[in-house]
Amino acid sequence: GAVVSQHPSWVICKSGTSVKIECRSLDFQATTMFWYRQFPKQSLMLMATSNEGSKATYEQGVEKDKFLINHASLTLSTLTVTSAHPEDSSFYICSARGIQETQYFGPGTRLLVL
Amino acid sequence: AQSVTQLDSQVPVFEEAPVELRCNYSSSVSVYLFWYVQYPNQGLQLLLKYLSGSTLVKGINGFEAEFNKSQTSFHLRKPSVHISDTAEYFCAVIRRQAGTALIFGKGTTLSVSS
Repeated sequence: GAVVSQHPSWVICKSGTSVKIECRSLDFQATTMFWYRQFPKQSLMLMATSNEGSKATYEQGVEKDKFLINHASLTLSTLTVTSAHPEDSSFYICSARGIQETQYFGPGTRLLVL
Repeated sequence: AQSVTQLDSQVPVFEEAPVELRCNYSSSVSVYLFWYVQYPNQGLQLLLKYLSGSTLVKGINGFEAEFNKSQTSFHLRKPSVHISDTAEYFCAVIRRQAGTALIFGKGTTLSVSS
């Protein structure tokens, strides 16, 4: 149980285009999901907290107009990187909060912007 | 505010040797504690968690951790490691309050060689 999927696992795009990443909780409902970014050899950096049916809460320094988050249902949150640039290239990981504050993580999406 | 310190950035060990990955946390409120493992190019997998009760927590893959409140530590141990245990290990803490985010340590790279 407690499986979280992400799609796509890999994406390569041209600079200036937008990319949408989906995060799904497959066997449980998650009112809260989280989006992280991870640079090579580093820990996870929390970008935003996504709550079903309400606006996401962004961490300081994260541009909300750049990283659009939509949590339209109890099993799906999406992250859209708008007008992507090479510096947005990174590993993006989502997590969904289950019972007793336990977070279950997706497999990650590697974004490469050319 | 909470913080997590993983005292070793890299831990090299030989196969079948015991290993301990150290984690200390600071918090003025009660917390839940977690250990996650990350294999290359993958998301995070929950190894074990401490919520309450017995301070010795057993997880998957033969790992266990002990919660020590007086020393504010949550060290991860395995009596005999395998090559397949080579990965990045993250200690994390969360306040016992709904809606808050995980606070991660910087990670420890466990390298198991034959």
